[in-house]
Amino acid sequence: KQEVTQIPAALSVPEGENLVLNCSFTDSAIYNLQWFRQDPGKGLTSLLLIQSSQREQTSGRLNASLDKSSGRSTLYIAASQPGDSATYLCAVRGNTDKLIFGTGTRLQVFP
Amino acid sequence: GAGVSQSPRYKVAKRGQDVALRCDPISGHVSLFWYQQALGQGPEFLTYFQNEAQLDKSGLPSDRFFAERPEGSVSTLKIQRTQQEDSAVYLCASSPLGTSGSRGNEQFFGPGTRLTVL
Repeated sequence: KQEVTQIPAALSVPEGENLVLNCSFTDSAIYNLQWFRQDPGKGLTSLLLIQSSQREQTSGRLNASLDKSSGRSTLYIAASQPGDSATYLCAVRGNTDKLIFGTGTRLQVFP
Repeated sequence: GAGVSQSPRYKVAKRGQDVALRCDPISGHVSLFWYQQALGQGPEFLTYFQNEAQLDKSGLPSDRFFAERPEGSVSTLKIQRTQQEDSAVYLCASSPLGTSGSRGNEQFFGPGTRLTVL
């Protein structure tokens, strides 16, 4: 059974820092991995989708990497801003269509 | 274009009441998913539709939960005889493709319905 773990569970950093969020999964037979952002009381906003054949994806200040063989992904946020404060979720898709989510990293960026 | 919409956004029910939650996917999207998110947790899969066919309902927690998508667009998640443990945010997602050839299939989420059972 696929299990997804995210560390740290919470992170508080001053504005301007570069930071790394970690996601690990137990079954390397995935089709893709998706990183989401969730603001309090809101739904999920897709940030990056990495196909199983890819090593990384970039969007603006965000860079996500995937090492499928070791069951790991990292989300790198450059020059963090208070507006980046949210919960970040990673999810993997295996040979079924459903996404398996981690429990998230709650990020606070203070001015 | 319009994203995934869900209604109501908030629902308060007394224990034992039936509730119905609606999802309007992105127009033309073939696949539709329901997830349940408990407080402080990641979303957990409930059920999946490809057009009007319910292909996977393995995540539905009990027979009190029922989902339908009769015309392959709008979907309704119904919970009968609600219990306090049903309190959660119910998220709907859609994606443009069906199962075959869908390895890169990105899911787009709605804002969710927060259900509180008293």
